[in-house]
Amino acid sequence: GDSVTQMEGPVTLSEEAFLTINCTYTATGYPSLFWYVQYPGEGLQLLLKATKADDKGSNKGFEATYRKETTSFHLEKGSVQVSDSAVYFCALSAPPGNQFYFGTGTSLTVIP
Amino acid sequence: GAVVSQHPSWVICKSGTSVKIECRSLDFQATTMFWYRQFPKQSLMLMATSNEGSKATYEQGVEKDKFLINHASLTLSTLTVTSAHPEDSSFYICSAPPLDTQYFGPGTRLTVL
Repeated sequence: GDSVTQMEGPVTLSEEAFLTINCTYTATGYPSLFWYVQYPGEGLQLLLKATKADDKGSNKGFEATYRKETTSFHLEKGSVQVSDSAVYFCALSAPPGNQFYFGTGTSLTVIP
Repeated sequence: GAVVSQHPSWVICKSGTSVKIECRSLDFQATTMFWYRQFPKQSLMLMATSNEGSKATYEQGVEKDKFLINHASLTLSTLTVTSAHPEDSSFYICSAPPLDTQYFGPGTRLTVL
């Protein structure tokens, strides 16, 4: 079945460091791919998405490229800030029901 | 962007009582809503799919008699945890898809004493 495998955390980085959180997926069809972020005490927020191969989603300095050949959707940011500290979830949505499948989440802590 | 609200944000109840959680889509209609459960430091587990005008579809292992779902209108779905026990304490999150993107409610923290 469809699934998402996400890099386990926690991840601790210094401010302005480069961030990569790996995400790979398994899907029988052609899924849409998402990154969601959950700040402490808050609900999930859509960070970025890509709906087809080679699409790049970007938002708030974060980027992820839909790689069909490697079935990956790695999240990157060139220079993290303390305010980026949160839990990041990779997810996919695939037909027929467009049900969402989430990765286990990666906790990121950015220290000054 | 689309907004999904949940009420209450936190509820504490005694063991054996029932608790109702509401999920509303504020600026769009949703024939389908999803209910998730999130344990501390873990991912979201899909519990059920709420369908407007018909019965909810439950995931394997989720007790439908314990977690009652009613999708009364195109903007409201409710989850009722019946005869709650301490092991039901968790963070419950709903979502709704206006298009191909899910928008999530802020979640409801349930604490059963």
